[in-house]
Amino acid sequence: GAVVSQHPSRVICKSGTSVKIECRSLDFQATTMFWYRQFPKQSLMLMATSNEGSKATYEQGVEKDKFLINHASLTLSTLTVTSAHPEDSSFYICSARTGLHHNSPLHFGNGTRLTVT
Amino acid sequence: TQLLEQSPQFLSIQEGENLTVYCNSSSVFSSLQWYRQEPGEGPVLLVTVVTGGEVKKLKRLTFQFGDARKDSSLHITAAQPGDTGLYLCAVSQGGSEKLVFGKGTKLTVNP
Repeated sequence: GAVVSQHPSRVICKSGTSVKIECRSLDFQATTMFWYRQFPKQSLMLMATSNEGSKATYEQGVEKDKFLINHASLTLSTLTVTSAHPEDSSFYICSARTGLHHNSPLHFGNGTRLTVT
Repeated sequence: TQLLEQSPQFLSIQEGENLTVYCNSSSVFSSLQWYRQEPGEGPVLLVTVVTGGEVKKLKRLTFQFGDARKDSSLHITAAQPGDTGLYLCAVSQGGSEKLVFGKGTKLTVNP
């Protein structure tokens, strides 16, 4: 079946440094990928929509210069958290649809636990 | 304002019991999805309901979409410890590709 892979699964970084998270679709092509953030005991909040070959679309309140998204190929999107601060510590999850319709199944990666010290 | 209201927020029951969790909204949706998320993992799709009044069964799980397509319920029969997890409902907002999630119901089934 379709699989979305995220790497790394866990990362600890120091305040002020940048962290890159990769999201790959393993057996299908994804023109669109979605990045979510989940704080402890809370639901998933959409951060941005990553579009292959074009700029990402960010949700209201999400700083595009802080959360850099690159979708350079049909199977890879990356999220870079720049100048990370402790408040950026969260669970970041990517997802992608296997079909073109918005009702087609959305597959999620296993997430990346980011801890900023 | 939360688009989707899920209740209860937390639920702790004994193995073998039945339970129902709810997902409510004042908006009408063309479809609604239920996901289960285990700690440290991404959500996994359980079901998509599309038609008002629709009932779908997945082993011991029964999903219902309200007649007006504003709400949905998930009923679990004879819950097992393996059912433990965060149950999330989600909808596509405004017909877009974007999926909006409810806050979820955290279910714990004790052996």
